Amino acid sequence: SYELTQPPSVSVSPGQTARITCSGDALPKQYAYWYQQKPGQAPVLVIYKDSERPSGIPERFSGSSSGTTVTLTISGVQAEDEADYYCQSADSSGTYRVVFGGGTKLTVL
Amino acid sequence: EVQLVESGGGLVQPGRSLRLSCAASGFTFDDYAMHWVRQAPGKGLEWVSGISWNSGSIGYADSVKGRFTISRDNAKNSLYLQMNSLRAEDTALYYCAKAPYYYDSSGYYREGYYFDYWGQGTLVTVSS
Repeated sequence: SYELTQPPSVSVSPGQTARITCSGDALPKQYAYWYQQKPGQAPVLVIYKDSERPSGIPERFSGSSSGTTVTLTISGVQAEDEADYYCQSADSSGTYRVVFGGGTKLTVL
Repeated sequence: EVQLVESGGGLVQPGRSLRLSCAASGFTFDDYAMHWVRQAPGKGLEWVSGISWNSGSIGYADSVKGRFTISRDNAKNSLYLQMNSLRAEDTALYYCAKAPYYYDSSGYYREGYYFDYWGQGTLVTVSS
């Protein structure tokens, strides 16, 4: 089955740049998406189609793709960015299936 | 304003059934694919099932295939998840999520396999 792999945790100080990676064999063929989830809240889409930012998402959130790895970058991290981040993609085998990465806890020191 | 409101969760014994519902409003429901995503306590997100706008395409996670059935009633702007033979590992918060669509370079409707709106979830607890 198709899997997406994320680091369990990333820590940065306020104002620094946080980079969260997501690896998967099908990522060169399928777009990746990123969600932010704060405690007790539903997930929020922050990046779609590898690097597009939905309206209302701050410009400090950006996405990139290179081969089998996609990266969510948060520039000038703020305390409010502390959350769990999940990457997501679709199965490339033609089946109607979606997969999430295991999630990364971003801690703002 | 897009609203997705889940209902039907609760405490159920292993082996029993439960039916979740998701009431949608604020958008043209029958234009969009819809999905169920769950999150076990303290764990990550897990995609459960999805259904295209006209029910022509349906998919399930391996963990629920053969036990869960997704359906929709476009006349009632509602999405459903029939869950049978429930197990302790099905305990989770179940989210209803809307998938966007776009038109490709040839002008064909394409479903976006991601989620732009989520409900607040309904909790399912499977325990004796």
